[in-house]
Amino acid sequence: QVQLVQSGGEVKKPGASVKVSCKASGYTFTNYGITWVRQAPGQGLEWMGWISPYNGDTNYAQKFQGRVTMTTDTSTTTVSMEMRSLRSDDTAMYYCAREGNFFDGSGARGDAFDIWGQGTLITVSS
Amino acid sequence: QSVLTQPPSASGTPGQRVTISCSGSRYDMGISHVYWYQQLPGTAPKLLMHTNDQRPSGVPDRFSGSKSGTSASLAISGLRSEDEADYYCAAWHDSLSGWVFGGGTKLTVL
Repeated sequence: QVQLVQSGGEVKKPGASVKVSCKASGYTFTNYGITWVRQAPGQGLEWMGWISPYNGDTNYAQKFQGRVTMTTDTSTTTVSMEMRSLRSDDTAMYYCAREGNFFDGSGARGDAFDIWGQGTLITVSS
Repeated sequence: QSVLTQPPSASGTPGQRVTISCSGSRYDMGISHVYWYQQLPGTAPKLLMHTNDQRPSGVPDRFSGSKSGTSASLAISGLRSEDEADYYCAAWHDSLSGWVFGGGTKLTVL
């Protein structure tokens, strides 16, 4: 079945880096972009950025530019997200999600996050 | 502070109809489709509504969406206990060149 499986949770100290992986299966990996969304404890969803597994193009939210790098490996159908200079307010659940193509009633296309990983809890604490 | 505005909470009794609103601007909902995600407690979000008012396969027709200008709403009819969840709206923001979410609405089934 179509699924995204993420790596396990980690505890990091402030200033450290973390890399979270997201393995895709059950569909043609290069046909769909992957987006990353995070959720701080008790808070809402925050979009971090997107990567194209087809050509490696990326689009990062302004807030994370320079601190986050997303990469793709077509041989293992895995997308990874690395965040550097971690702070305590980076403590959150991190999700990867597939961007599927959809159409409205008039045939106009829209992209939506149709498949989600299970989430990876990153805790930043001294 | 979220870019899209949602009420923090909503509630209803089983069988009732409830609506959740989402308000944006001309830079996001004014030009983009609206999407809704349902997040059950302790789980990852799930796509509930795409391109304003289209349900993905498997989503019951008790759920419906609408959009007008820079506002949208999600309606749930025949409320059931399993609908108790957080609901998020989302849209593409043109000047930010990225996705923005509402702050989420916690739905309680009384």
